[in-house]
Amino acid sequence: SQQGEEDPQALSIQEGENATMNCSYKTSINNLQWYRQNSGRGLVHLILIRSNEREKHSGRLRVTLDTSKKSSSLLITASRAADTASYFCATDERSGRALTFGSGTRLQVQP
Amino acid sequence: NAGVMQNPRHLVRRRGQEARLRCSPMKGHSHVYWYRQLPEEGLKFMVYLQKENIIDESGMPKERFSAEFPKEGPSILRIQQVVRGDSAAYFCASSLQDRTRSIEKLFFGSGTQLSVL
Repeated sequence: SQQGEEDPQALSIQEGENATMNCSYKTSINNLQWYRQNSGRGLVHLILIRSNEREKHSGRLRVTLDTSKKSSSLLITASRAADTASYFCATDERSGRALTFGSGTRLQVQP
Repeated sequence: NAGVMQNPRHLVRRRGQEARLRCSPMKGHSHVYWYRQLPEEGLKFMVYLQKENIIDESGMPKERFSAEFPKEGPSILRIQQVVRGDSAAYFCASSLQDRTRSIEKLFFGSGTQLSVL
């Protein structure tokens, strides 16, 4: 599988519930980032976590990073219909020159 | 402070024609990345440029595709003799490079949807 694989591929929840998305990667990284994409639009940066960090918060977002397992998770608490979008993790590999994106998780929040 | 500007938003070409996609990075950004996205898929890296230099073109097909980022003006992704398989959304992103040389966050344009008839 490719660097930066998210799971699940698709997630449907009710408004108010929490949404958890996971990302696995293969190589050593400088940092890992999460982006959001609304249908037909460009990606928007959400949060960046460095390789020496384990957890980071930003508003309703919580990101964790486990470098021993080469995995990260994005938690969106108290989801809203407006959170409906695709979410991508992206890794800044130590050996690479550009961010490598996964295939994304499509989140649907039902009002 | 305008964001990353891409044009055109939609581009329709017939097989065999040339497609030129333009990208103006955010003000002050000297690093430009091009990515390609197929429906329901993630972004695939194509090329990374600084002003007047191609830093990494490992994701770009060797034939028909070229990219430039001149000293003045926007970055251009050029696809010659387009084929139906080139139909996709092409996204440009820009960044500042910090002193540690790791990639901080990317700012994306809204993309160009290329349709090849």
